[in-house]
Amino acid sequence: QSALTQPASVSGSPGQSITISCTGTSSGIETYNLISWYQQYPGKPPKLLIYDGTKRPSGVSRRFSASNSGNTASLTISGLQATDEADYYCCSYVGSSNWIFGGGSKVTVL
Amino acid sequence: QEQLVQSGAEVRKPGASVKVSCRASGYSFTTYYIHWVRQAPGLGLEWMGIINPGDENRSSAQKFQGRLSMTSDTSTTTIFMELRNLTSEDMAVYFCARGGRKSNSNWFEPWGQGTLVTVSS
Repeated sequence: QSALTQPASVSGSPGQSITISCTGTSSGIETYNLISWYQQYPGKPPKLLIYDGTKRPSGVSRRFSASNSGNTASLTISGLQATDEADYYCCSYVGSSNWIFGGGSKVTVL
Repeated sequence: QEQLVQSGAEVRKPGASVKVSCRASGYSFTTYYIHWVRQAPGLGLEWMGIINPGDENRSSAQKFQGRLSMTSDTSTTTIFMELRNLTSEDMAVYFCARGGRKSNSNWFEPWGQGTLVTVSS
C-alpha cells in the first residue's frame, strides 16, 4: 500500500529557509513529478501551493518552491515569516483513480 | 470568481447517513473533476473520492467503497456526497475540491469551506 511520509514538525527562525520532505514508501506512486503541496491554517480549507511537482499557481509567493529526488519530494520555504506558521501537506496520484496525502507537517516560526 | 460553497454542519446518530452538497460557480461545471477530502479533528487530510460532474463517472478510496455515493446535478451545478452507516470515526470536516480537467490531474483548487459532520448518539 502506498504512503507518503512527512516529518510531523519543522521549525525555523524568521528569515531562515526550511525544507519539508515527503517520501513515498512503496510502489504505486506514479511519479513524484506530480506531487502537489498544500498549506492549511487552523479552521480553514487547504490552499494549493505547488502542483505538477514544481509549479506555483498564480498568486503564490515565490518564497515557496519545490523539488524532487528519487522517491522524495521537498517543499522549501525561503525567508520564513510568521504567516508561514501552518500545516503543510503533500499529495500524490497513485494510479487507478486514487490519491493519497502525506500525514502533514506543522511549521513553527520560532 | 471560481468557488465551491458547501452545505452547513450536520449531526447524525451512529448508523445513519449524511448528504453534503457542494455548489460550484464561476467556471464551466462539467469541465473539471470534483474531489472529496475529509479531515478528522486534529488529524490530517484523507482523500475519499472523485467524480466527473458531466457524466458522473466516479471512483472512491477502497475504505469507502460500498458506503460512499457521489452524484452531480448539472442544472444546479451541485455535487452531492453521501456517506452511509456512519460511525464515530466518520466525525470530520468534509471538503469538496476542484481537480483538473484530466482524471489524473494532481491538484485541488479551489476548495469548499468545509462541512462539519458530527456523529453522536
